[in-house]
Amino acid sequence: DAKTTQPPSMDCAEGRAANLPCNHSTISGNEYVYWYRQIHSQGPQYIIHGLKNNETNEMASLIITEDRKSSTLILPHATLRDTAVYYCIVTSGGYQKVTFGIGTKLQVIP
Amino acid sequence: DTGVSQDPRHKITKRGQNVTFRCDPISEHNRLYWYRQTLGQGPEFLTYFQNEAQLEKSRLLSDRFSAERPKGSFSTLEIQRTEQGDSAMYLCASTLSLAGSYNEQFFGPGTRLTVL
Repeated sequence: DAKTTQPPSMDCAEGRAANLPCNHSTISGNEYVYWYRQIHSQGPQYIIHGLKNNETNEMASLIITEDRKSSTLILPHATLRDTAVYYCIVTSGGYQKVTFGIGTKLQVIP
Repeated sequence: DTGVSQDPRHKITKRGQNVTFRCDPISEHNRLYWYRQTLGQGPEFLTYFQNEAQLEKSRLLSDRFSAERPKGSFSTLEIQRTEQGDSAMYLCASTLSLAGSYNEQFFGPGTRLTVL
């Protein structure tokens, strides 16, 4: 699976959009981009995933660049409950072993 | 609540003791994973099961660690002769795996192990 690079931490004002970047320059054609988040003392929670098209669900939007070497997770109206560590991973399926890395610690500020 | 449960939620033990953790996945999920997470790090893959078969083990899983998933339902992770370095959060996740596809993993709340 391709390696990802994320900033270790970010701040976002409550009510504003949180834009979390992820670089995955070695991604291959059959690898998906997945985002999970982990709220303190809980297990990770799935957010969204995509292959090459932008995706949106009730939690977030995922923007993948045309060359697929980077992506951005967008939380449109961040709330204090969105404070968490956000993990970007890429995986091709198969046996589905994934590597989480250290993620981005998002702090939503009142 | 994701539907994946783990027991116990917390375990404190003395060095050298054996501990066993249990994971109950979502009932229709055929894949089950174990991860270990230490402070400030993301979850690290330990092992996974496809139904009852253990298909891969990380090199992190020393001989003191053993995992089972009898009958392809719940799973147990046992650590023998615990060491202080085993102190961590142990996470279980399950997913419904279809041929050639990756589906999101549903994580349990974890078992926090402290070895004194």
